[in-house]
Amino acid sequence: DQQVKQNSPSLSVQEGRISILNCDYTNSMFDYFLWYKKYPAEGPTFLISISSIKDKNEDGRFTVFLNKSAKHLSLHIVPSQPGDSAVYFCAAERGGAQKLVFGQGTRLTINP
Amino acid sequence: ETGVTQSPTHLIKTRGQQVTLRCSSQSGHNTVSWYQQALGQGPQFIFQYYREEENGRGNFPPRFSGLQFPNYSSELNVNALELDDSALYLCASSSGGAHLTNEQFFGPGTRLTVL
Repeated sequence: DQQVKQNSPSLSVQEGRISILNCDYTNSMFDYFLWYKKYPAEGPTFLISISSIKDKNEDGRFTVFLNKSAKHLSLHIVPSQPGDSAVYFCAAERGGAQKLVFGQGTRLTINP
Repeated sequence: ETGVTQSPTHLIKTRGQQVTLRCSSQSGHNTVSWYQQALGQGPQFIFQYYREEENGRGNFPPRFSGLQFPNYSSELNVNALELDDSALYLCASSSGGAHLTNEQFFGPGTRLTVL
């Protein structure tokens, strides 16, 4: 039972344009959502998060949008830079338990 | 401040053997979570230790076990290895407690191959 899904295994975007990564979830008990970025041979690093009481959170070039009714969240990166090329994981948790449920990941490639 | 470290980096075992993976948490962190990441998949929660006690477990059989030590470092033990146990094992540490903004910091992982 995949509770968090990232349906796009890969995404290719031109440098300077907007990258939009999508994530869907099925468990309505999730109340906190996170995005992690992973480079090869490194562990995932935290990027940005959002609580279920909000519908948007912004940090520099990164913005996460949450649509609770659709059980959907998205990560916007603008402008995209070559260093953004990595695998991005969406994750969810409930009740502050820090037991993350991850999606399968989306490999983002930024082309110069 | 040192980050999360894991050892070994790579490991090759055969079916039926036992393996122990180690994790040193970030300074000041009292919670360690272990995740299994199979090829092409996202990390999957195995279990979590908080102040030396198991604090939640994912859908993994009992042959996956763990320990947390007084210095908050941790071990993951897997008995009777199976081919499907081949994966990247990630450890994450955090400051614990039911606080939504407690970020988890991941180590680089241990790549386990079971032949």
